[in-house]
Amino acid sequence: DGGITQSPKYLFRKEGQNVTLSCEQNLNHDAMYWYRQDPGQGLRLIYYSQIVNDFQKGDIAEGYSVSREKKESFPLTVTSAQKNPTAFYLCASSILAGGNTEAFFGQGTRLTVV
Amino acid sequence: EDKVVQSPLSLVVHEGDTVTLNCSYEVTNFRSLLWYKQEKKAPTFLFMLTSSGIEKKSGRLSSILDKKELFSILNITATQTGDSAVYLCAVDGWGKLQFGAGTQVVVTP
Repeated sequence: DGGITQSPKYLFRKEGQNVTLSCEQNLNHDAMYWYRQDPGQGLRLIYYSQIVNDFQKGDIAEGYSVSREKKESFPLTVTSAQKNPTAFYLCASSILAGGNTEAFFGQGTRLTVV
Repeated sequence: EDKVVQSPLSLVVHEGDTVTLNCSYEVTNFRSLLWYKQEKKAPTFLFMLTSSGIEKKSGRLSSILDKKELFSILNITATQTGDSAVYLCAVDGWGKLQFGAGTQVVVTP
């Protein structure tokens, strides 16, 4: 089945450690996105990518890094520079051309810093 | 700076009421406006709007876009407890998908 897969579902990290969240899609979508969601809040854009080997910062990119080496994959690294990383992280993808450009979401990764 | 603003941030209604959710935006290179419903984890898609004045309907939900005034509304009629969720508005700026803060809707029996 086509879809977008995030892993792991739950992640615990010690302060000062980097951690990488995986996002893979087999929808042949051009664009991919990472969002952060805190309790009771909407989705804030961290990074997005429209094409392989290119990506742009969103509104809250500090303390995060990404790569887009393959069309299907857009991993997010939460670095030790991110002061408050505990949150729910959502990955999404969409096409860039054509009529139906809705974004499809993964099931999310809940990151907890302990 | 691009922004998407939703109002109200939260509301509580009784079953059977009608609710209207608002979304205003300032986005460069506008392509479409999307509405999502989020209950637990991943948001689920409701509507995509690209043209002004054309209402989209799905059961008790409907939505319309005004590209001149830069806003959209989402209506839910005859609300049910299953409509309790966060409703998210997003604007697609050709590869940059920006969300508002969401409106938390609680429907009481």
